[in-house]
Amino acid sequence: DIQMTQSPSSLSASIGDRVTITCRASQSISTFLNWYQQKPGKAPRFLIYEASILQSGVPSRFSGSGSGTDFALTISSLHPEDFATYYCQQSYSTPTFGPGTKVDIK
Amino acid sequence: VQLQESGPGLVKPSQTLSLTCAVSGGSIRSGGYYWSWIRQHPGKGLEWVGYCDYSGSTYNPALKSRVTMSVDTSKNQFSLKLTSVTAADTAVYYCAAYNFGSGSSPDWFDPWGQGTLVTVSS
Repeated sequence: DIQMTQSPSSLSASIGDRVTITCRASQSISTFLNWYQQKPGKAPRFLIYEASILQSGVPSRFSGSGSGTDFALTISSLHPEDFATYYCQQSYSTPTFGPGTKVDIK
Repeated sequence: VQLQESGPGLVKPSQTLSLTCAVSGGSIRSGGYYWSWIRQHPGKGLEWVGYCDYSGSTYNPALKSRVTMSVDTSKNQFSLKLTSVTAADTAVYYCAAYNFGSGSSPDWFDPWGQGTLVTVSS
């Protein structure tokens, strides 16, 4: 199995802050990396696929980057609705998720 | 495509957990998806359980000995059975479509069902 790690596990930020979450794979996965947002009591929402392509309807303040083993999700300016937990997921082999990064209000 | 899970919310230890996911807004036979189950232990992250289509299934190695998934094309739904459950199987279970996008292999999970909490307790 390909193991996924994320850092930080949690962060506190303010409205308008630029936030970057990193995701690392235990082996190269090219750009087979997706990002999801989950709010309490809700199913995950699909945000970004193939490392950097925004799903339709996702605000442009979200962006993804990376290839190989190291990836990042950036929110350029935090909005109130962005406080949530974010997960990465690799699809290079049988799917695995990162442990999540919780973004909460400072 | 929309997905909706159903099944018992309480299962006794050592028994079998059985869930169904109804697919609406499209045919389960239309292709382009692997039909998947993902679970989330309380307060924890996401764990892929497995996926299936009409030709077969693939399971998480950690659960493989206890999991069976199947597709019922006549009812446009797919199902999960997890045998010999323990308290460690208590989780929110999501069904999701593992989407091929424009590629030749599955890539992302979308859409998801709303999730259903299954508690294992006597």
